[in-house]
Amino acid sequence: QQQVKQSPQSLIVQKGGISIINCAYENTAFDYFPWYQQFPGKGPALLIAIRPDVSEKKEGRFTISFNKSAKQFSLHIMDSQPGDSATYFCAASTGYSSASKIIFGSGTRLSIRP
Amino acid sequence: GAGVSQSPSNKVTEKGKDVELRCDPISGHTALYWYRQRLGQGLEFLIYFQGNSAPDKSGLPSDRFSAERTGESVSTLTIQRTQQEDSAVYLCASRGGNRVVYEQYFGPGTRLTVT
Repeated sequence: QQQVKQSPQSLIVQKGGISIINCAYENTAFDYFPWYQQFPGKGPALLIAIRPDVSEKKEGRFTISFNKSAKQFSLHIMDSQPGDSATYFCAASTGYSSASKIIFGSGTRLSIRP
Repeated sequence: GAGVSQSPSNKVTEKGKDVELRCDPISGHTALYWYRQRLGQGLEFLIYFQGNSAPDKSGLPSDRFSAERTGESVSTLTIQRTQQEDSAVYLCASRGGNRVVYEQYFGPGTRLTVT
């Protein structure tokens, strides 16, 4: 019940296309859903996060779509660029306003072809 | 400091030696995590400290691994009698906030190579 399932494991998208990464969870107590971006040789960096009281959050070319009833959330990268090539991790935790334990998905390696 | 810092950035050690990895979290962050990331793999949770609560050690792979944290400051991860399979990047992260949202930030990692 604590797991966050992420798919696909790897993804190749043409430059200018839309990259979509999906995550699903079981624990309905989760109320904070961040996404992290990791470049080779670097630690993961917080990219964007959402709470379940909204269905969508957009920051630039990055959008999180959230479906509370289906217990799923996804990251959409619009107009994908080669610089977006990285590994993306979704995550979830209980206690939005607390430092409770964050559970990570298994990661998606995204490659954007020029 | 401005972010999570880790030292050393790289560590090469001989099999059987002990190593100690250090993490300095963001000031004021009550939660601190250690993860292991093997080449091309995901984040493997090791241990979680939250304030004064007993740490969650459920991810430690063997009794050769241990971690300490002094209050809400620096943490050290110790690996005793290192094995070649311990070679990985060890990432530290801290989480805290302003009572509105608590965000987690990662350090740059320590790359451990056991020869």
